[in-house]
Amino acid sequence: GQQVMQIPQYQHVQEGEDFTTYCNSSTTLSNIQWYKQRPGGHPVFLIQLVKSGEVKKQKRLTFQFGEAKKNSSLHITATQTTDVGTYFCAGTRTYKYIFGTGTRLKVLA
Amino acid sequence: DTGVSQNPRHKITKRGQNVTFRCDPISEHNRLYWYRQTLGQGPEFLTYFQNEAQLEKSRLLSDRFSAERPKGSFSTLEIQRTEQGDSAMYLCASSSSTGREDTQYFGPGTRLTVL
Repeated sequence: GQQVMQIPQYQHVQEGEDFTTYCNSSTTLSNIQWYKQRPGGHPVFLIQLVKSGEVKKQKRLTFQFGEAKKNSSLHITATQTTDVGTYFCAGTRTYKYIFGTGTRLKVLA
Repeated sequence: DTGVSQNPRHKITKRGQNVTFRCDPISEHNRLYWYRQTLGQGPEFLTYFQNEAQLEKSRLLSDRFSAERPKGSFSTLEIQRTEQGDSAMYLCASSSSTGREDTQYFGPGTRLTVL
C-alpha cells in the first residue's frame, strides 16, 4: 500500500538556525499537504502543493513539491521558538490522505 | 461558527465495551474525515465522507469500526468490542470541495483509553 516516510524524526536547532524536513512517498501523489501540530494540540493546515516542481513560500517557510510528485520538503529559515512542534506531510492520490511520521522540531533559545 | 467540535473529549472504557464518538464539522463543509493518532505517530486515515456518502475507508472500518454521516452534517464513529490497542486520539477533520485547496480543519479530538 501507499507509504509516506518523513525524515528526520527529530531535529533540535538553535534559535536562528535553519531547519528542513523531507517527505517521500512510495507512489505518485495528486497533491501533498503540510501540517503543524503543537504538543497537546491538533494538526493545523499550513499549505497544499499540487503541481510538479511547485514552490510556495509563507514568510520564513518554503515548501517544495518534487518533479515526480513523490517527494516534498519544508524549509524554515531562521527558526524561532514559536516554530516548535511536529511537522507532518500528508499525501493523497484520491481522498485517502496518508500522513508521514512527522518531524519533531525543538528550538533552543 | 467556531470550528470543528468533537464529543466527548475524553472517554475511558473497559475492554469489550462499545463506544461512540461524535463530530460536528464546520457548517458549510461537505467533506468529513476521521483519523486515529497514537503517540509519536502521524494521523492514520480511517474514513472519508462527501456529504452523506462514505467514499473511502481504511481496512480498519470493515470490522469493529463503523462510521456514519446520516444527513451530511455531523458524523459518528463507533467502535465495537473495544480492545486495549484501540487506545488513541480520534480526530475528525472537515473541508469544503468548493475551496481552491482541500484545507482540512481538525477538531480537538476524542482521547480514548481502553482499560
